[in-house]
Amino acid sequence: GQSLEQPSEVTAVEGAIVQINCTYQTSGFYGLSWYQQHDGGAPTFLSYNALDGLEETGRFSSFLSRSDSYGYLLLQELQMKDSASYFCAVREDTGRRALTFGSGTRLQVQP
Amino acid sequence: DVKVTQSSRYLVKRTGEKVFLECVQDMDHENMFWYRQDPGLGLRLIYFSYDVKMKEKGDIPEGYSVSREKKERFSLILESASTNQTSMYLCASRQGEQYFGPGTRLTVT
Repeated sequence: GQSLEQPSEVTAVEGAIVQINCTYQTSGFYGLSWYQQHDGGAPTFLSYNALDGLEETGRFSSFLSRSDSYGYLLLQELQMKDSASYFCAVREDTGRRALTFGSGTRLQVQP
Repeated sequence: DVKVTQSSRYLVKRTGEKVFLECVQDMDHENMFWYRQDPGLGLRLIYFSYDVKMKEKGDIPEGYSVSREKKERFSLILESASTNQTSMYLCASRQGEQYFGPGTRLTVT
């Protein structure tokens, strides 16, 4: 089976940097994605890592270590609008075409 | 821009009713998915489809069925709704990146 672990809640202040970790256990692994979901909204895609290392997209970066079955999402220069839930999701290299999602990390950005 | 639309944002049904949730995508994606989202449990896969008339069970298929008669449309059916099916239902489609619809908040009373 598959399982992903991420913290349930994180709090940070505006302008700070926050890191949301994700560890996974899966039958096969193809890549790790991150999604953002604001209250009442649908999840939207943020980033995808298939190879080890850091991927940067503006204020957001995502890291993957395949040997450690671990990844993180790094949010810099936090803004109030970054308050949302963040989900990591694994894509497997098996016949399972669906992403498996973690239970989500609720980020609260305070002034 | 990829668009995934769902037939209703909010739905209230009675126990025992048959419920249809419709999802349509406009990007000719082969893969379509139904998830339910509950607090603290994240997104759990109910069913997915990788082609017309093809379907596969996800992690929590009990009490649900699906239909995919056309490539762009994927329907979730609750044959006899129960109160434990009160949830947010999210449809998604994917060719590379996964796109979600706005969700249907279903309440079964």
